[in-house]
Amino acid sequence: EDQVTQSPEALRLQEGESSSLNCSYTVSGLRGLFWYRQDPGKGPEFLFTLYSAGEEKEKERLKATLTKKESFLHITAPKPEDSATYLCAVHEQRGSTLGRLYFGRGTQLTVWP
Amino acid sequence: EAQVTQNPRYLITVTGKKLTVTCSQNMNHEYMSWYRQDPGLGLRQIYYSMNVEVTDKGDVPEGYKVSRKEKRNFPLILESPSPNQTSLYFCASSLRTTPDTQYFGPGTRLTVL
Repeated sequence: EDQVTQSPEALRLQEGESSSLNCSYTVSGLRGLFWYRQDPGKGPEFLFTLYSAGEEKEKERLKATLTKKESFLHITAPKPEDSATYLCAVHEQRGSTLGRLYFGRGTQLTVWP
Repeated sequence: EAQVTQNPRYLITVTGKKLTVTCSQNMNHEYMSWYRQDPGLGLRQIYYSMNVEVTDKGDVPEGYKVSRKEKRNFPLILESPSPNQTSLYFCASSLRTTPDTQYFGPGTRLTVL
């Protein structure tokens, strides 16, 4: 069973057409939720960290929000250079140990002119 | 330049031949981790280390070993590689003892015949 589920798997948007990506998780204790961007053939690039429900972070056209069991990555007026795979990861709280990091399978975003 | 380096970048080997993939960071980071990325499965954590001499299993540790004798290096060892370990491997590091704001290496593409 996946600990982190991202939807949709793929999303095609026209330039300027705003939308949201979803990340839901089932870990029992959350230490942090992270968003990454990954371009083809490269390692993931860090975007945001969220720690508690109600928290929001913004960077250029991207805004990440967190509720008790899910997070959203809102993309406002996207441009073709925003095309990438967006990954969500959850840092698990497990007793007194540091805990593991679980990634979702990603949403592949394509923005066409 | 602040970076995470991995070597080799590409490796083709045969079943059972021990190999080591090196990972080094020059940012004085505490946390380091290894991941594998497979089509349809996403990124999965293999092992992580919150500081020198402290390591713990991730989600898929079977068939792998790690060691953290120095702060900057975190090699991944495959004692007896098998074809199901064919994958794209990423090393990552972060400043504190948590996976917040991880910097990823460029990846190592491993093929086990």
